Amino acid sequence: KAGVTQTPRYLIKTRGQQVTLSCSPISGHRSVSWYQQTPGQGLQFLFEYFSETQRNKGNFPGRFSGRQFSNSRSEMNVSTLELGDSALYLCASSLQGTLGTDTQYFGPGTRLTVL
Amino acid sequence: DAKTTQPNSMESNEEEPVHLPCNHSTISGTDYIHWYRQLPSQGPEYVIHGLTSNVNNRMASLAIAEDRKSSTLILHRATLRDAAVYYCILTRNSGNTPLVFGKGTRLSVIA
Repeated sequence: KAGVTQTPRYLIKTRGQQVTLSCSPISGHRSVSWYQQTPGQGLQFLFEYFSETQRNKGNFPGRFSGRQFSNSRSEMNVSTLELGDSALYLCASSLQGTLGTDTQYFGPGTRLTVL
Repeated sequence: DAKTTQPNSMESNEEEPVHLPCNHSTISGTDYIHWYRQLPSQGPEYVIHGLTSNVNNRMASLAIAEDRKSSTLILHRATLRDAAVYYCILTRNSGNTPLVFGKGTRLSVIA
């Protein structure tokens, strides 16, 4: 089975711009979660989608949004980019979601740099 | 959310066993103990998980204390490829709670 793929792998944007990141989950997985990783804050949960519905949301401003398509592929969007949005954005997929026994499979991440 | 405490860093010699500790004194009866690791320049990967009994898989073993307030991830023979940040995470088997990552333990393996 192919793993979780994320595109693009690297991205450079300037302040004020917006960006869209894409994630393709493992075939058959219906849950997609997004995480932000920075040196200062570590790995932080952004949101989770299951069957095209946002089921869970972390503590991030409304500039961060996402969606999931009927084929379970997901996109996340960050509008009005700030310098502090520079981070590694990770996508994870799982069969059912974030239950106690459900393994999360992570992609390689998209490295976003905001100048 | 129940919290976990791990040492910031540990060092091991190649080919030797490694015991990575995790304290979770506020664990509840329905919390699972998960371990993930993140190799350099990669996303986290699942290592192992357990509830009450010790668990083994091809990657590692998980030893869970009888009172469940602590656990230990055991790598039986460390290799250079095991150098990574190891995260101990508690998850509930109810609701849809996300993985909550702490700082983890950075494991260095010396040849």
